[in-house]
Amino acid sequence: SQKIEQNSEALNIQEGKTATLTCNYTNYSPAYLQWYRQDPGRGPVFLLLIRENEKEKRKERLKVTFDTTLKQSLFHITASQPADSATYLCALAPGGTYKYIFGTGTRLKVLA
Amino acid sequence: DAGVTQSPTHLIKTRGQHVTLRCSPISGHKSVSWYQQVLGQGPQFIFQYYEKEERGRGNFPDRFSARQFPNYSSELNVNALLLGDSALYLCASSAGDRHNEQFFGPGTRLTVL
Repeated sequence: SQKIEQNSEALNIQEGKTATLTCNYTNYSPAYLQWYRQDPGRGPVFLLLIRENEKEKRKERLKVTFDTTLKQSLFHITASQPADSATYLCALAPGGTYKYIFGTGTRLKVLA
Repeated sequence: DAGVTQSPTHLIKTRGQHVTLRCSPISGHKSVSWYQQVLGQGPQFIFQYYEKEERGRGNFPDRFSARQFPNYSSELNVNALLLGDSALYLCASSAGDRHNEQFFGPGTRLTVL
């Protein structure tokens, strides 16, 4: 069956360290993969999009990698801050569709 | 410039009733998608509309329907409400291509008693 998996356990890290979140998928061939941030009670906020032919994308302290062989995307936040505490969601659009499938999200807590 | 707006913010209904949720996309965006999010899960795709045409449908029963108006705003209708329909309903607008980012509204919290 088709699945997107993110660490369901919360990730706690110390301020200033790099947070690395994982998104694994099976039985999809996504053309695009997106990462979103969601705070409690609010809608997701777009962070980064990466295409299937791109290995890496960066934006300020954020970096996303996309390995279509491993069927995995990694999301990194460098020099993390308490304000980065939130749930991070990955979403992919299977090839040929406009339907974005979301993972369950990983809750990140950055400790001061 | 206003972001995506949704109404109402909160709604309480009883089983068997019908509900209509509304969404106004960002000005210039022609695509609206609807998602259902239950606590602890990621958003689940319900529909996408582009230029008033349905362009994608998720695995939801026929009790769920939607439409898009000439001004690109959209309505999501749910008939014969069940307890399991209680969730946060999110609307997202985009320019319309698959590589475009989606801008989400604040959501409508639906509680079915």
